[in-house]
Amino acid sequence: AQSVTQLDSQVPVFEEAPVELRCNYSSSVSVYLFWYVQYPNQGLQLLLKYLSGSTLVKGINGFEAEFNKSQTSFHLRKPSVHISDTAEYFCAVSDGGSQGNLIFGKGTKLSVKP
Amino acid sequence: ETGVTQSPTHLIKTRGQQVTLRCSSQSGHNTVSWYQQALGQGPQFIFQYYREEENGRGNFPPRFSGLQFPNYSSELNVNALELDDSALYLCASSKTGTGHTIYFGEGSWLTVV
Repeated sequence: AQSVTQLDSQVPVFEEAPVELRCNYSSSVSVYLFWYVQYPNQGLQLLLKYLSGSTLVKGINGFEAEFNKSQTSFHLRKPSVHISDTAEYFCAVSDGGSQGNLIFGKGTKLSVKP
Repeated sequence: ETGVTQSPTHLIKTRGQQVTLRCSSQSGHNTVSWYQQALGQGPQFIFQYYREEENGRGNFPPRFSGLQFPNYSSELNVNALELDDSALYLCASSKTGTGHTIYFGEGSWLTVV
């Protein structure tokens, strides 16, 4: 069975600092990987996804993530965060067998301070 | 704006009652999925519908059921509500062949008292 572990439940960071949100997954098959962001009282918005090809994936709002198959990781990074990046971030995995069936991690709450 | 709309946005029900949540998918999207997100947790997959048939189900009991209509709108029904059913229910729609791009609605907050 697939699973996703987000190693940090909360990440506080100062504005304009770099940030990395960590995600590890377990799966016995090839996977598709996603990062979603959830602002307070809102649904989920797709930041980026890895389906195949280049292991470095660029997404919206200046975020990027690197797929590392040997370490089964898909960490999310941003070189300089803004106050507006304060939100909850979810890593998710799919085996591709059923589009729309995602396994999510428990989330990482990113708090950007001035 | 994802084009996925859900109703109602908030509701309160009593334990043992039944509830129906509705979702209107983006035009042309033939797949809809429902997720339950408890407070402080990640979303959990309930089930998925493709062309009006259930196409996958997570670890949820049969009192969670759904429908997908020809216009790709969808319903989630929960019978015999329990306190633990209190959560945000998210609808997500997608179209086959679009690279697993899934669009989420803003959810329906259900409180069971």
